[in-house]
Amino acid sequence: KAGVTQTPRYLIKTRGQQVTLSCSPISGHRSVSWYQQTPGQGLQFLFEYFSETQRNKGNFPGRFSGRQFSNSRSEMNVSTLELGDSALYLCASSLDGTGAYEQYFGPGTRLTVT
Amino acid sequence: GENVEQHPSTLSVQEGDSAVIKCTYSDSASNYFPWYKQELGKRPQLIIDIRSNVGEKKDQRIAVTLNKTAKHFSLHITETQPEDSAVYFCAASRAPGNTPLVFGKGTRLSVIA
Repeated sequence: KAGVTQTPRYLIKTRGQQVTLSCSPISGHRSVSWYQQTPGQGLQFLFEYFSETQRNKGNFPGRFSGRQFSNSRSEMNVSTLELGDSALYLCASSLDGTGAYEQYFGPGTRLTVT
Repeated sequence: GENVEQHPSTLSVQEGDSAVIKCTYSDSASNYFPWYKQELGKRPQLIIDIRSNVGEKKDQRIAVTLNKTAKHFSLHITETQPEDSAVYFCAASRAPGNTPLVFGKGTRLSVIA
């Protein structure tokens, strides 16, 4: 079974631009969570989607948004990029996101904002 | 909401020694505690998890202990090897439930040959 995939793997953007990242979960997984990873803050939860609905949201500004499609693929969007948005963005999928099943991470998208 | 504290932030051990990483959590309703290992440039991978109906779980050289009364859990790695060098993250959540995993800030383990 193929693992979680993320595209693109690397991105360089300029301050003020917007960016869209994509995550394809493991086949059959319906829950997709997004995390921001930075050296100082570790893994911070952005949001979780299940069956095309945002079920949980972390403490990030409204510039961070996401969506999930009927095939469970998910995208996250960051508008009006700031230097502090430079980070590794990880998505993770699980069968139902309840914690009853293991969560698997993708390889991440490394975003650099200049 | 849940808050997870992880210590130490860095840990160096000699090959063959044991390593212990500790985490505390704040939400007494949390009952699922996974540990992830992230090697340099790679994705986090689940190495072991424990649920609140058990106090200890082992998998070869890795063990996790849970003390629900004190709200802390620990990762124990015995007979460490250079390939154990990585960043380790603990996490906590309610399960089953719809609350997200909350992660500690990670421990960078270096195993010196």
